[in-house]
Amino acid sequence: EVRLVESGGGVVQPGGSLRLSCEVSGLTFRSYWMTWFRQAPGKGLEWVANINKDATEKYYVDSMKGRITISRDNTKNILYLQVNSLTAEDTAVYYCSRGIAASDLWGQGTLVTVSS
Amino acid sequence: DIQMTQSPSTLSASVGDRVTITCRASQTISTWLAWYQQKPGKAPRLLIYKASTLEIGVPSRFSGSGSGTEFTLTISNLQPDDFATYYCQQYNSYSSWTFGQGTKVDIK
Repeated sequence: EVRLVESGGGVVQPGGSLRLSCEVSGLTFRSYWMTWFRQAPGKGLEWVANINKDATEKYYVDSMKGRITISRDNTKNILYLQVNSLTAEDTAVYYCSRGIAASDLWGQGTLVTVSS
Repeated sequence: DIQMTQSPSTLSASVGDRVTITCRASQTISTWLAWYQQKPGKAPRLLIYKASTLEIGVPSRFSGSGSGTEFTLTISNLQPDDFATYYCQQYNSYSSWTFGQGTKVDIK
């Protein structure tokens, strides 16, 4: 069974940082591009970042460039998203997914709440 | 960046209806378009990719069409399980993906 399980969310103060993780099982992780999306409460979906199979290509949404870093560990089958300088506008459910085209596999999401 | 304009934002329909959702891209994206269904508290589910290819396991009452800048998702014979929010997404370039604003399909 293929599973993508996000973790690392929680409540963080404005200006703080978080590292989100996505543990992948049931597929050959190193064979796939991976993606982070997010969804603010009651809002639509937003693409956040892509990373290629060997982490030599990384792409970020313009609104978060400079504050986020996507990375992966192909030996542990884990995808990461480091988010710095958090603001209330970063409050959202963050999802990881597989693929460089349409995303056919998604995790359940991890909620990040930025609040003092 | 490519902007995706999805309409309508809300659609009220009855079981058995045929419904159509439209997505317009601000520039041509060939057929690099996907449609997702999302229910409250759940991750999105891929329905259609490459504008018209049905994802495995998705009922055939879902169909997609279009190319360039104009796309449609059609649900024929709407079922109770189909009441949800639908999003289009362009993936024309690795470096920037965008979604439409979403269409909530609710019960009339």
